[in-house]
Amino acid sequence: AQSVTQLDSQVPVFEEAPVELRCNYSSSVSVYLFWYVQYPNQGLQLLLKYLSGSTLVESINGFEAEFNKSQTSFHLRKPSVHISDTAEYFCAVNDFGNEKLTFGTGTRLTIIP
Amino acid sequence: NAGVTQTPKFQVLKTGQSMTLQCAQDMNHNSMYWYRQDPGMGLRLIYYSASEGTTDKGEVPNGYNVSRLNKREFSLRLESAAPSQTSVYFCASERREGRKEQYFGPGTRLTVT
Repeated sequence: AQSVTQLDSQVPVFEEAPVELRCNYSSSVSVYLFWYVQYPNQGLQLLLKYLSGSTLVESINGFEAEFNKSQTSFHLRKPSVHISDTAEYFCAVNDFGNEKLTFGTGTRLTIIP
Repeated sequence: NAGVTQTPKFQVLKTGQSMTLQCAQDMNHNSMYWYRQDPGMGLRLIYYSASEGTTDKGEVPNGYNVSRLNKREFSLRLESAAPSQTSVYFCASERREGRKEQYFGPGTRLTVT
């Protein structure tokens, strides 16, 4: 069965510093992987996804994530964060052929001015 | 193109009352989902509908019922609300083929007293 672990519930980071949000997954089959972002009082929006091909995927606002099959990880990184990146970030996994997504418990990213 | 809409935005119920949360999407998506979001627990799937006319239980279906009224609409009903159902509820939709991306509504914040 598919599952996702986000070990860090909160990550405080100074503005313009780099950040890494960790995500590990468990699955017995091939997977699709996603990062969603939730800004305060809003629904979730897709940030980026890995379906196949290049293991490094990027978003339009400077985030990137790398699919590492051997370590079953899909960590999210940004080299320099901004106040506007304050949000909760959810990692999600979908086994091939499964109609359902499984979400992690989320990481709240707080940017310190 | 409104995407996924949910009504109401906020609701307060007394224990034992019933209500229906409404969800509609205008993207011609086949699949629709209901999640609940609780602090520290991420998003948990309540029910989903892979296509018009079908519904299936998710991780936490007890105390809820759903109706896939047509391709656009997917409602969630609480027959006898309990304080444990205090949560934020999100509806989402997804094309079954291709992009593998779920689109979320803005959420309904429900309090049961």
